[in-house]
Amino acid sequence: AQTVTQSQPEMSVQEAETVTLSCTYDTSESDYYLFWYKQPPSRQMILVIRQEAYKQQNATENRFSVNFQKAAKSFSLKISDSQLGDAAMYFCAYRSGAQGGSEKLVFGKGTKLTVNP
Amino acid sequence: KAGVTQTPRYLIKTRGQQVTLSCSPISGHRSVSWYQQTPGQGLQFLFEYFSETQRNKGNFPGRFSGRQFSNSRSEMNVSTLELGDSALYLCASARGLGRGQETQYFGPGTRLLVL
Repeated sequence: AQTVTQSQPEMSVQEAETVTLSCTYDTSESDYYLFWYKQPPSRQMILVIRQEAYKQQNATENRFSVNFQKAAKSFSLKISDSQLGDAAMYFCAYRSGAQGGSEKLVFGKGTKLTVNP
Repeated sequence: KAGVTQTPRYLIKTRGQQVTLSCSPISGHRSVSWYQQTPGQGLQFLFEYFSETQRNKGNFPGRFSGRQFSNSRSEMNVSTLELGDSALYLCASARGLGRGQETQYFGPGTRLLVL
């Protein structure tokens, strides 16, 4: 079974600074997807960024980028120019890419990000 | 395009009762998944549906059930509620199963409190 580990329960960053959230995963599959979701106090889970395992290029979405290291099974999220609105719980998630495989997301325990003004 | 909607947003029930939660996916999305979120266990997968068929089920007792209708709307039911069922129940929809269709978008959740 796949597992996702987020080793930092809490992180803090100064507004306008850069912060990196860590995520490692364990799988024997070669085809899969990785996601970062953000859950603010409203509890709405919001997709931040998506990475396909077969793509070597790291995904980016505006101020958000990932460092995907497939061999190391590492998938960290970098937030540049942090804003107060970035404060939230961040979840790393894994999904199998196997043909006919389960769509279920396997989540890490989350990292609570605080942004200080 | 409207997002995933879930009703009701909040529910208070007593032990032994049953509850039905509803989820309407994003228009055009045919896949619906359900997750339970608690402080202790985090986010746990409940079930997934595609074209009215349950494709997978998580490790939950039989008191938890669900279904999907022809319009892709989904419901989940919890019978004989227990205190431990208090949680945020999240529904997510995706366009389909193939590559490029798999990204799940979440609804706002239903917060269930069992007294």
